[in-house]
Amino acid sequence: DAGVIQSPRHEVTEMGQEVTLRCKPISGHNSLFWYRQTMMRGLELLIYFNNNVPIDDSGMPEDRFSAKMPNASFSTLKIQPSEPRDSAVYFCASTHTTGQETQYFGPGTRLLVL
Amino acid sequence: GENVEQHPSTLSVQEGDSAVIKCTYSDSASNYFPWYKQELGKRPQLIIDIRSNVGEKKDQRIAVTLNKTAKHFSLHITETQPEDSAVYFCAASMGGGYNKLIFGAGTRLAVHP
Repeated sequence: DAGVIQSPRHEVTEMGQEVTLRCKPISGHNSLFWYRQTMMRGLELLIYFNNNVPIDDSGMPEDRFSAKMPNASFSTLKIQPSEPRDSAVYFCASTHTTGQETQYFGPGTRLLVL
Repeated sequence: GENVEQHPSTLSVQEGDSAVIKCTYSDSASNYFPWYKQELGKRPQLIIDIRSNVGEKKDQRIAVTLNKTAKHFSLHITETQPEDSAVYFCAASMGGGYNKLIFGAGTRLAVHP
């Protein structure tokens, strides 16, 4: 069974450009989480979905960030326009919401905004 | 808001020694406490977890203890090896039934040969 899949693995872009990160959760998982990891702020939860519905987006830093989950097997995190301070590793994780279940992380997207 | 505090932030031990990492949480409804290990450039991976109905759980050289009254839990690694060197994160679930986790800030463990 494939784990969580993220693309791209690395992204280098210039300030002001739009960035789209993609995630495919583990098949059968119905909760999906987007995290951002930096040295300064650690692992931050940005937003999470349950059954494709956004439940809590209080971690989204500002309006430049948006996330969608059009179906159970795909989610996107978009930054528009990007800024250098958005440089980080972005992880997607998925789990079942049937109880106390483990979150499984994808390999992450390393984003560098110049 | 709800938070998880993790100590120490860095830990250096000699190979073969034990390492202990401690976390405290604030949400009394938390009932699931996983520990993740993250090697440099890799994703966080679950190494052990404990649920609120258990006080202790062990898996080979790794053990976790939970004190719900005091709201703290700890990771114990015995007979440390250089490959144990990594950043370790504790986490606690939040109420609401959606498995939202609050992560600690991480502990960078270095095991010296």
